Amino acid sequence: DIQMTQSPSSLSASVGDRVTITCQASQDISNGLNWYQQKPGKAPKLLIYDASNLETGVPSRFSGSGSGTDFTFTISSLQPEDIATYYCQQYDNLPYTFGQGTKLEIK
Amino acid sequence: EVQLVDSGGGLVKPGGSLRLSCAASGLTFSDAWMSWVRQAPGKGLEWVGRIKSKGSGGTTDYPAPVEGRFSISRDDSRNTVYLEMNNLKAEDTAVYYCTHITWSAARRGAAGFDYWGQGTLVTVSS
Repeated sequence: DIQMTQSPSSLSASVGDRVTITCQASQDISNGLNWYQQKPGKAPKLLIYDASNLETGVPSRFSGSGSGTDFTFTISSLQPEDIATYYCQQYDNLPYTFGQGTKLEIK
Repeated sequence: EVQLVDSGGGLVKPGGSLRLSCAASGLTFSDAWMSWVRQAPGKGLEWVGRIKSKGSGGTTDYPAPVEGRFSISRDDSRNTVYLEMNNLKAEDTAVYYCTHITWSAARRGAAGFDYWGQGTLVTVSS
């Protein structure tokens, strides 16, 4: 199975800050990576697909980059409503696997 | 608008069985590849299986932790997908989400999960 290592596991930042989360795959997954946002008590929401494509309706302050084994998720200017846990997920090979999550809090 | 409604969760004893249902609307269900993802209390996300559309063979895939115990099926006449869970263990306790598998045109293959149900809680305890 492909292991997805996400860092950091938690992050505290101020409104307006640029926030970056990284995800590393245990083997080459090309661009087969998604990023999700999950708010407490809610189902996850797809934000980024194919590593760098913004899902329809998602604000442009969210972005993704990377290919192969190393990926980055960025919020260009943190907003209060962005408080959530973020997950990466690979779909290059079965079984689909997720990172362990990054819990984002407001400082 | 695509909507997935999960149901069927509850309390079950270790070794018991449970069947979850997911009713879909707002999409051409017969063409949809569907999946289940679970989340143990306070933990991360774990994929537990998928079923392809009948047009793609209707086959299923499962990860090792549930292979042989969990089974996914579909009823296209009811726009519903099911997750049959047998020989349940305490570590199967989780919220179970039904998801729709999206298609990546660029990669010409199944991608991640673009629509999610609201989740249904399964608790395995004596």
